Amino acid sequence: DAGVTQSPTHLIKTRGQQVTLRCSPKSGHDTVSWYQQALGQGPQFIFQYYEEEERQRGNFPDRFSGHQFPNYSSELNVNALLLGDSALYLCASSPRLAGGGPSYEQYFGPGTRLTVT
Amino acid sequence: GQNIDQPTEMTATEGAIVQINCTYQTSGFNGLFWYQQHAGEAPTFLSYNVLDGLEEKGRFSSFLSRSKGYSYLLLKELQMKDSASYLCAAPANQAGTALIFGKGTTLSVSS
Repeated sequence: DAGVTQSPTHLIKTRGQQVTLRCSPKSGHDTVSWYQQALGQGPQFIFQYYEEEERQRGNFPDRFSGHQFPNYSSELNVNALLLGDSALYLCASSPRLAGGGPSYEQYFGPGTRLTVT
Repeated sequence: GQNIDQPTEMTATEGAIVQINCTYQTSGFNGLFWYQQHAGEAPTFLSYNVLDGLEEKGRFSSFLSRSKGYSYLLLKELQMKDSASYLCAAPANQAGTALIFGKGTTLSVSS
């Protein structure tokens, strides 16, 4: 049973460029959350998707956008990259509760290390 | 406001017991999580406490006091492989399942 997968593993971009990161959730999970983790810090919530819609959003600018596909996989897009966007980007997937909402139980992928120069 | 505090670093020796503390302030309460993260790897789930008290799971135990906004992770019989960052996290609010994390406690276990 494959866990959460993310691609690419590492990425180097230049200031002002745009980047797309990808995530495939764990089998049976339909909710995907994205987090940014700067060096030496805890993960910070960016946004969450289920049923192909953004359901919750953290304190991140509109340069950060996302998408969820019918197969539950997800993309994170960042426009106009800044040096401060250099971080580990983590994707986490969650199963749906019997009552219908997403579970608090989150499984993290290995992350994409983004370096902006 | 929402805030999670935990010590930045801790050191211990193999075979010892270590307690990592966490204090939190969140909008409402829907439980408290502990994750382990080895350098360069993804966080992995350790525990989830919703009710007050101690929950034991092998060498790891987690304690919660909702009235004090306090939790701790207890690691027994420390091994070198326990050297990692330990993250305390809680749901950001009652409207969804987004988690807010503390900055993490880096534990170094020496022989």
